[in-house]
Amino acid sequence: IAGITQAPTSQILAAGRRMTLRCTQDMRHNAMYWYRQDLGLGLRLIHYSNTAGTTGKGEVPDGYSVSRANTDDFPLTLASAVPSQTSVYFCASSDLTTSINEQFFGPGTRLTVL
Amino acid sequence: GQNIDQPTEMTATEGAIVQINCTYQTSGFNGLFWYQQHAGEAPTFLSYNVLDGLEEKGRFSSFLSRSKGYSYLLLKELQMKDSASYLCAVTDSNYQLIWGAGTKLIIKP
Repeated sequence: IAGITQAPTSQILAAGRRMTLRCTQDMRHNAMYWYRQDLGLGLRLIHYSNTAGTTGKGEVPDGYSVSRANTDDFPLTLASAVPSQTSVYFCASSDLTTSINEQFFGPGTRLTVL
Repeated sequence: GQNIDQPTEMTATEGAIVQINCTYQTSGFNGLFWYQQHAGEAPTFLSYNVLDGLEEKGRFSSFLSRSKGYSYLLLKELQMKDSASYLCAVTDSNYQLIWGAGTKLIIKP
């Protein structure tokens, strides 16, 4: 079944540790996105990539890094986790060649930093 | 700054009609989305408006007025499964999605 997968589903992490959230899509979409969702704040864009080999910063990029080595994978790395990074993280993808650029979301990763 | 406003929470009765409003102020406009998000799940696409007017899709309709920076999502014949959060999002001049905080809709029998 085509779609987006994320791993892990949830994680509890000690502050200061490094963590990589994985995201893979099989829809051959050119664009991919990482969001965090916090209660009362809605979805906030962390980083995005419009095509393999390129990345860009979103609204809240500090403390996070991404890479886009190929079309399918878009990992998000927290170099040194802090408690304020406790959130639900959603990966999404879209086909920028379409007229409406609908974004499709993965199931999310619930991250707790202690 | 860019801003999208929608009510935090609404309550409606099963079988009734509910209208969820969204107002926006963004740098440019290239379309407005409504997404549905059940608790603990990912957002899923409901509707897209880029021109003024009403788009109807089954029990759900979405309206847009670009001059007023206003949209609404209309849900008819409410069912218990419609209990969810409804997210309004606008594509800005850079083709990035700006998201509202979402409206939690509670359906009562």
